[in-house]
Amino acid sequence: AQSVTQPDIHITVSEGASLELRCNYSYGATPYLFWYVQSPGQGLQLLLKYFSGDTLVQGIKGFEAEFKRSQSSFNLRKPSVHWSDAAEYFCAVKGGSYIPTFGRGTSLIVHP
Amino acid sequence: DAEITQSPRHKITETGRQVTLACHQTWNHNNMFWYRQDLGHGLRLIHYSYGVQDTNKGEVSDGYSVSRSNTEDLPLTLESAASSQTSVYFCASSRDRNSPLHFGNGTRLTVT
Repeated sequence: AQSVTQPDIHITVSEGASLELRCNYSYGATPYLFWYVQSPGQGLQLLLKYFSGDTLVQGIKGFEAEFKRSQSSFNLRKPSVHWSDAAEYFCAVKGGSYIPTFGRGTSLIVHP
Repeated sequence: DAEITQSPRHKITETGRQVTLACHQTWNHNNMFWYRQDLGHGLRLIHYSYGVQDTNKGEVSDGYSVSRSNTEDLPLTLESAASSQTSVYFCASSRDRNSPLHFGNGTRLTVT
C-alpha cells in the first residue's frame, strides 16, 4: 500500500523568504512522486514530478523538490516566495497502479 | 488546447434527490478519476475508469456511481443525495500510468 503524509497543515512565511514544504511517503519500492498547487476556486495544477534519475527535480514557478530515499521524503522548496505563491500544496505518491494517493495538503500563507 | 470541463461549477440540491455531475475531457485520455475534497481529508478517490465500459470503486464510493460510454466523459451520479455528500468534487484524467493527473476546476455541491 502507498501513503503520503504532509506534516504541516499551515505554513506562514514572509514574502522574499525561503520555503520548504515537507512530504513523507510510504511505499515498498521507488514511487512516482508529484507536487500540485491549488489556488482558491481552482483545480490542482502540477508543479513537478519525480519518476527516476536525478533526485533534484525542477518545476514551474521556480519550485524544486528533492527525492531522498533514505528519508522517504520529497520536500518542496523555493528560494524566495512571492505573494502569488499563497495557495494549497499537495504532495502525491503513485506506486504500482495508475492511481495517486494525495496528502491532506499544506496551506501556504505569505505575509507582505 | 486540451482541457477538462466540469459542470455545473456550483450546485445546490435537496436531500434524497438524484444529482449528476458532468466531466468532459478533450485530452483523449483513457484514465479518468473522480475525487472529493473536504477540509482535513484532502482528496479522496470516489470512482475511476481505465477506459470505455470500465469503472472501479475508490475508497469512498458508497452512494456514488459512474458510467463510461465514451472516452471523453465520466459523469458522477449521486443516487440519493445526503448532507454528508456536501463537498467539492474534482474530475481528473491521465494518459497512462506514468503520467500526472490533469484536473478540472471542480464542482461545489451543497446538499440541504
